[in-house]
Amino acid sequence: AQSVTQLDSQVPVFEEAPVELRCNYSSSVSVYLFWYVQYPNQGLQLLLKYLSGSTLVKGINGFEAEFNKSQTSFHLRKPSVHISDTAEYFCAVSDLRTSYDKVIFGPGTSLSVIP
Amino acid sequence: EAQVTQNPRYLITVTGKKLTVTCSQNMNHEYMSWYRQDPGLGLRQIYYSMNVEVTDKGDVPEGYKVSRKEKRNFPLILESPSPNQTSLYFCASSPGTSGHSDTQYFGPGTRLTVL
Repeated sequence: AQSVTQLDSQVPVFEEAPVELRCNYSSSVSVYLFWYVQYPNQGLQLLLKYLSGSTLVKGINGFEAEFNKSQTSFHLRKPSVHISDTAEYFCAVSDLRTSYDKVIFGPGTSLSVIP
Repeated sequence: EAQVTQNPRYLITVTGKKLTVTCSQNMNHEYMSWYRQDPGLGLRQIYYSMNVEVTDKGDVPEGYKVSRKEKRNFPLILESPSPNQTSLYFCASSPGTSGHSDTQYFGPGTRLTVL
């Protein structure tokens, strides 16, 4: 079954520093990949998604992610973080081969931006 | 305003007392889904619905029921709640008939405590 790993449960980073949040998924021939963000006391909202095409995907709020098929990864990056980026970040995968109607979420990474 | 609403937002109840958490979306979306969020586990899908009168189990359906009698509403029913159902619940919807490639729009969440 498809699974999603987010290696870092918590990532503290200073304001204006770059950040990378890591995401790996189980090997599969064909996947769709997502990053969602959850601000405190709110529901999730989509940051970006990869369905096909260019492996570098740009999202909202200056975030981008790169799909690496050989390493089965979809790491999220931002070159300079702001205090307002403090939130929980979830990587999610849809395995077209085994779970056409479902999206599997990772356990989440809590990003804390330090002033 | 396009949105997914959930009620109630907070609920404390006792073991065995039936409850319903309502979910409504005003975007005419086909696909709706319920998730529970627990620390360290991320979001796990409980049930989903691809269209009116079409529902299917997610990864953790035990102890839950759903119905989809109209497109906009997708209530989650706990017939006999137990303490292990204490969690944060999210309803989500997306435009297509499958959840695998569309952006999902999440409600604000319902925090349920079962004593």
